[in-house]
Amino acid sequence: QVRLVHSGAEVKEPGASVKVSCKASGYTFTNYYMHWVRQAPGQGLEWMGMINPNGGGTSYAQKFQGRLTMTRDTSTSTVYMELSSLISEDTAVYYCARDRHYAAPFYLDYWGQGTLVTISS
Amino acid sequence: DIQMTQSPSSLSASVGDRVTITCRASQSIANYLNWYQRKPGKAPNLLILAASSLQSGVPSRFSGSGSGTDFTLTINNLQPEDFATYYCQQSYGVPWTFGQGTKVEIK
Repeated sequence: QVRLVHSGAEVKEPGASVKVSCKASGYTFTNYYMHWVRQAPGQGLEWMGMINPNGGGTSYAQKFQGRLTMTRDTSTSTVYMELSSLISEDTAVYYCARDRHYAAPFYLDYWGQGTLVTISS
Repeated sequence: DIQMTQSPSSLSASVGDRVTITCRASQSIANYLNWYQRKPGKAPNLLILAASSLQSGVPSRFSGSGSGTDFTLTINNLQPEDFATYYCQQSYGVPWTFGQGTKVEIK
């Protein structure tokens, strides 16, 4: 069965960076893009970007350009999301979710359990 | 960016009711519209893809319709487990964007 397993919760100080991992299993890792979506407390879902595990190409929301980096390790079927220059508004649950991006329609059919990132001094 | 606007932002309904949630895109997105259900403490769950296709395993009381800019999610015979927040999401253009959510509460 498809599983996306996140790394554990993080507490970071403002200005620091955080790197969250998402380990995939149960399918061919390179056949599906991986997206990152976050939800801040009391807010809606926010798309951050996506990575093509087959080659590593990325696309990020303009809002996060310059401080968001998505990478992957095909040997362990793991994708990583690193967000730098953290501010309190980055406190959120961060989700990875996969997308069969090679043919329309595009949708997020499996999601990880999420990683809570708390920014606090 | 394509803006997605859902209405209402919240509603109260009873078990057995029919519920309709609408989603409007700021430009035409053809049928690149998905619906997700989110319950507290859980990851979002895909309900409807490509505007009207029911995701495998999702009960048939959920249905979606629309194309272009206007879309609808309908829940027939509302069940206790359906009380949750629902989000539309467009995958027509990058960045992908979500509606602000519709919270379905128990009346």
